[in-house]
Amino acid sequence: GQSLEQPSEVTAVEGAIVQINCTYQTSGFYGLSWYQQHDGGAPTFLSYNALDGLEETGRFSSFLSRSDSYGYLLLQELQMKDSASYFCAVEGGDKIIFGKGTRLHILP
Amino acid sequence: ETGVTQSPTHLIKTRGQQVTLRCSSQSGHNTVSWYQQALGQGPQFIFQYYREEENGRGNFPPRFSGLQFPNYSSELNVNALELDDSALYLCASSSQGLNEKLFFGSGTQLSVL
Repeated sequence: GQSLEQPSEVTAVEGAIVQINCTYQTSGFYGLSWYQQHDGGAPTFLSYNALDGLEETGRFSSFLSRSDSYGYLLLQELQMKDSASYFCAVEGGDKIIFGKGTRLHILP
Repeated sequence: ETGVTQSPTHLIKTRGQQVTLRCSSQSGHNTVSWYQQALGQGPQFIFQYYREEENGRGNFPPRFSGLQFPNYSSELNVNALELDDSALYLCASSSQGLNEKLFFGSGTQLSVL
């Protein structure tokens, strides 16, 4: 079957760094994407990795290891507005699969 | 440049009825995908349309069907509504059938009573 696994919840302190992991099992793989969704809002695109390595976009970075079927999203200098759900997603074959999401709680 | 728009924003139906949800893709995008998102869950892929043809489908029954029009807007139709169909329905657009960066609309919240 095809699946993505990510932690259901993560808690961190404002100003700190947090890493959200994602492991996947898919038939066919093009790349790993990350999305942020605030309560009541739509998912918004954060980053995409097609090749192994680290991609950096401001405070957010994303990493991919295709051989390990693993990736992570790194959020630095956490702000209260980063409190949201984060989803990893892969395109496997002719399907787009999302993880169940990681709820990020930020403490002041 | 206009973003992805969905209508209606909220809808209440009763079991057994049919519903049509609409989506206008972002300017310049020719690919639309639809998702069902239950509360506290990730989006579940329903299907995707590229240049008016369905080119991918998730594990949803045939009563979930869709269309894409020449202007690349799209409809999601659900027949014989069931209580479990209550969810947020999201539409996303992208270009050239590529899905590494999806632009989502705000969704339609469907309640089936």
